[in-house]
Amino acid sequence: AAGVIQSPRHLIKEKRETATLKCYPIPRHDTVYWYQQGPGQDPQFLISFYEKMQSDKGSIPDRFSAQQFSDYHSELNMSSLELGDSALYFCASSFVNKKTEAFFGQGTRLTVV
Amino acid sequence: GESVGLHLPTLSVQEGDNSIINCAYSNSASDYFIWYKQESGKGPQFIIDIRSNMDKRQGQRVTVLLNKTVKHLSLQIAATQPGDSAVYFCAENPHNAGNMLTFGGGTRLMVKP
Repeated sequence: AAGVIQSPRHLIKEKRETATLKCYPIPRHDTVYWYQQGPGQDPQFLISFYEKMQSDKGSIPDRFSAQQFSDYHSELNMSSLELGDSALYFCASSFVNKKTEAFFGQGTRLTVV
Repeated sequence: GESVGLHLPTLSVQEGDNSIINCAYSNSASDYFIWYKQESGKGPQFIIDIRSNMDKRQGQRVTVLLNKTVKHLSLQIAATQPGDSAVYFCAENPHNAGNMLTFGGGTRLMVKP
């Protein structure tokens, strides 16, 4: 079965650079979520989209933005990267009426040096 | 602030034994509680959820118990197998929080052969 696809799997950037992470949800899922997981930490909710519109916003820095496109894929844009942005970034998708059964991708490991 | 957290960071069990992973929460106004399993290098994987108006829910080899009186959630894994070795997170979906999940600190389950 198709899963959530994230790209790239690994990304190394320097401080103050920008990064774009991509997420391709499971086909027909209408809701996409982004989470950030620091080393040894819990996943922290960043933002979610339902039918291409932002639905909920968590602890997403102002330097980050995200959007969902007409084909339902989503991108997380990160600017002015800081060392503390180094983390695993997970995308998840679900049906809006089954939001607790979110399927997560394998994540993008971002390292800021 | 209100949070979801776990009692023990590491749990070691013998293969074939039953495992019990605990979670304490402080936010009484949550619609759902969910357990996720995260293997090394992978995204969280949905295991089971329970609505706040339920006390118990069973799945395949897993049982989740919710004690609202003491704000305690547990995940019981029957006949633990080496493949169950992972970090387990509890998460909650606060009422009126839309799609946001608040994850608690993970517990690492280690299964000894």
